[in-house]
Amino acid sequence: KAGVTQTPRYLIKTRGQQVTLSCSPISGHRSVSWYQQTPGQGLQFLFEYFSETQRNKGNFPGRFSGRQFSNSRSEMNVSTLELGDSALYLCASSLAGTEVFYEQYFGPGTRLTVT
Amino acid sequence: QKEVEQDPGPLSVPEGAIVSLNCTYSNSAFQYFMWYRQYSRKGPELLMYTYSSGNKEDGRFTAQVDKSSKYISLFIRDSQPSDSATYLCAMRRRSGAGSYQLTFGKGTKLSVIP
Repeated sequence: KAGVTQTPRYLIKTRGQQVTLSCSPISGHRSVSWYQQTPGQGLQFLFEYFSETQRNKGNFPGRFSGRQFSNSRSEMNVSTLELGDSALYLCASSLAGTEVFYEQYFGPGTRLTVT
Repeated sequence: QKEVEQDPGPLSVPEGAIVSLNCTYSNSAFQYFMWYRQYSRKGPELLMYTYSSGNKEDGRFTAQVDKSSKYISLFIRDSQPSDSATYLCAMRRRSGAGSYQLTFGKGTKLSVIP
């Protein structure tokens, strides 16, 4: 079974630009979550999508947005990039998960550098 | 105070040593407790998870949860150079109908020296 894939793996953007990152979950997984990882703040939850609906959101400004398509693939967008947005952006997929524990499988991440 | 606190290290041990990694938390709503391992240039991978207080063992790894103290630990026995990685604790709580949220510690960077 193929793992979670993320594209692109590396990206360099300039302040003020916008960027779109893509995530393809493991086949059959309907939940996709996005995280930002920085040395200072660690791994922080951005949002989660399930069946094309955002059902959970972390404490990030509205410049961070996402969406999920009918095939469960997901994209996240960051508008008006700031230097502080430089980070590793990780996508994770899982079957679902409410009372039962379902493992989240992480992709390798997209390394975004804002100059 | 952050919901989850983890000493970032770095931690350097000789091969064969017992490693102890720890996290504390403040939110009683956390139900599941996890340990992830992250190698350089890779995404985190789940090592172990526990639901209740107590110990859970998997090979050389033992996860320990003490809910009364809000303290979790991961022990690695007979550590190997291949265990060199960043270890992140994570905790899960309900965050609305049909949804949950993971909160991670900052991670502890471990180096096992041959």
